[in-house]
Amino acid sequence: DAGVIQSPRHEVTEMGQEVTLRCKPISGHDYLFWYRQTMMRGLELLIYFNNNVPIDDSGMPEDRFSAKMPNASFSTLKIQPSEPRDSAVYFCASSPNSPGNTGELFFGEGSRLTVL
Amino acid sequence: AQKITQTQPGMFVQEKEAVTLDCTYDTSDPSYGLFWYKQPSSGEMIFLIYQGSYDQQNATEGRYSLNFQKARKSANLVISASQLGDSAMYFCAMRGPWSNYQLIWGAGTKLIIKP
Repeated sequence: DAGVIQSPRHEVTEMGQEVTLRCKPISGHDYLFWYRQTMMRGLELLIYFNNNVPIDDSGMPEDRFSAKMPNASFSTLKIQPSEPRDSAVYFCASSPNSPGNTGELFFGEGSRLTVL
Repeated sequence: AQKITQTQPGMFVQEKEAVTLDCTYDTSDPSYGLFWYKQPSSGEMIFLIYQGSYDQQNATEGRYSLNFQKARKSANLVISASQLGDSAMYFCAMRGPWSNYQLIWGAGTKLIIKP
């Protein structure tokens, strides 16, 4: 089975540009998470969805960030306008919701964003 | 407040030796789960092992075992017979009923295996 698929793997953009990161979770997983990882702050949860509905977006840094999950197989994280401090690796992860599930997260390979 | 502490920012270990990576946690909830993830230089996060707070036995997965000491609130990862491919960042994380599926993450330990 395919794992969590993220695109693009690498993105270099200029300050002020719009950035859209994409994620396809593992089929059948009910939970989807967006994380950001930086050297300074480690792993930060930005937002997570359950059955396509945003449950907790308290980690979203500011209004420049938005996330959507229009269906069970696709989610986007958008930054508009981007700033150099947004440079980070952005991870998407998914998790099943089933009896006995430990809550293990399955991560994508990440999208490395550099904002110049 | 819930917290995960990994006190070893970096470790060097000789190949084939056993490795213990420290993790202590803090929570007042009796129900929680502890996770270890590996992040090699390629960047992906790989799930290694899970321990539930009510599990009677320490979790094991191949060369990985979790030394769970509930009274001390520690959940150390033990890697037996280390290999060069074990060189990576290792993260300890905790989940509990305070927020469904939200994980609290440690800062990580960078492990380097020497040949």
